Amino acid sequence: GNSVTQMEGPVTLSEEAFLTINCTYTATGYPSLFWYVQYPGEGLQLLLKATKADDKGSNKGFEATYRKETTSFHLEKGSVQVSDSAVYFCALSDPVSNFGNEKLTFGTGTRLTIIP
Amino acid sequence: DSGVTQTPKHLITATGQRVTLRCSPRSGDLSVYWYQQSLDQGLQFLIQYYNGEERAKGNILERFSAQQFPDLHSELNLSSLELGDSALYFCASSVGGKSYEQYFGPGTRLTVT
Repeated sequence: GNSVTQMEGPVTLSEEAFLTINCTYTATGYPSLFWYVQYPGEGLQLLLKATKADDKGSNKGFEATYRKETTSFHLEKGSVQVSDSAVYFCALSDPVSNFGNEKLTFGTGTRLTIIP
Repeated sequence: DSGVTQTPKHLITATGQRVTLRCSPRSGDLSVYWYQQSLDQGLQFLIQYYNGEERAKGNILERFSAQQFPDLHSELNLSSLELGDSALYFCASSVGGKSYEQYFGPGTRLTVT
């Protein structure tokens, strides 16, 4: 079945450091890929997405490129801020679904802490 | 604010009891999804409804059931509760069809004592 493998956390970085959170996936076909972020005490927010190979999703300084050849969707940010402290989830949607069935399969989440 | 609302925010109940969690999707969204987030299982898909009909089932226990009403709100019913059912339950909604973006509510934290 489909699965998402995410970089184990927690990750602690200093402010303005470069961030990479690794994500690889297993799926039949061509899934859509997502990064969601969960701030303390809140629900999940869609951070960015990519729906086909070589697409780059970007939002709030975060980027991720859909790499079909390596089945990866790594999250990057050039300069992190304290406000980026959260849990980040990589996810994919079922690519061989019937109409109306687009359940998400999530990775285990990576807790990111940014220290001033 | 995602536009998805969930009530209640917190729920504390005893083992063996039954509870109902409620979700209102974003305006115009036809699909509703339920997910469970627990420390040991992570984020798990439970069930999906599309325009009132069940579309997909994930790791949902037989003690759990859900439905989507004509006004598109959804309820997740959890019965014969066990300590292990303590978790965050999220509802998400999407337009449906080939739109894969799901928008999550703030969640209901269920504590079973």
